Amino acid sequence: DTEVTQTPKHLVMGMTNKKSLKCEQHMGHRAMYWYKQKAKKPPELMFVYSYEKLSINESVPSRFSPECPNSSLLNLHLHALQPEDSALYLCASSQGTRGGGDEQFFGPGTRLTVL
Amino acid sequence: SQQGEEDPQALSIQEGENATMNCSYKTSINNLQWYRQNSGRGLVHLILIRSNEREKHSGRLRVTLDTSKKSSSLLITASRAADTASYFCAAPNQAGTALIFGKGTTLSVSS
Repeated sequence: DTEVTQTPKHLVMGMTNKKSLKCEQHMGHRAMYWYKQKAKKPPELMFVYSYEKLSINESVPSRFSPECPNSSLLNLHLHALQPEDSALYLCASSQGTRGGGDEQFFGPGTRLTVL
Repeated sequence: SQQGEEDPQALSIQEGENATMNCSYKTSINNLQWYRQNSGRGLVHLILIRSNEREKHSGRLRVTLDTSKKSSSLLITASRAADTASYFCAAPNQAGTALIFGKGTTLSVSS
């Protein structure tokens, strides 16, 4: 299995809702990433997990809360989001943990709309 | 902070033509990667070129790296409509801990 899966594909939520995004990979990769991508912009790194531990948090607001329950799963918990948080949220994984030196495998993304 | 900058921002060509995209980066790197993204979808890794390599090929793709000019180019030969996508270069940040993506080139191939 050489793919990264993400659920849901689309999510619409109000500013008071709590929701979660899920990402899964079964390639035995040791690093997993969350990116945020606005329309016509490049992906921006949010979080990196290496060996199930949070290794990078790119100063992301606390209304985004990542969790790595095991080596195959990565969640992003959302609470009290703002309309400007509407974006495509991409999950990725890599075999190595060098971040900048490894090929990353991306999931199809979750299109999030905050009303 | 931005590491890679692609040029041009947008490119429209006919099927069968070649497409060239350029990427410039700011700091010394040990590798540079290129990714493709179809509209609203996840990114697909195309090629990784290391700093000790000048050129690398993969099918119809040719990537060059000039570390003295801090630039890279991606050439797609004999383009097809299915090549229509956004193409991003990505280089490591200074600590080498993460990839920083350039702004991307949007390629449109018409038949």
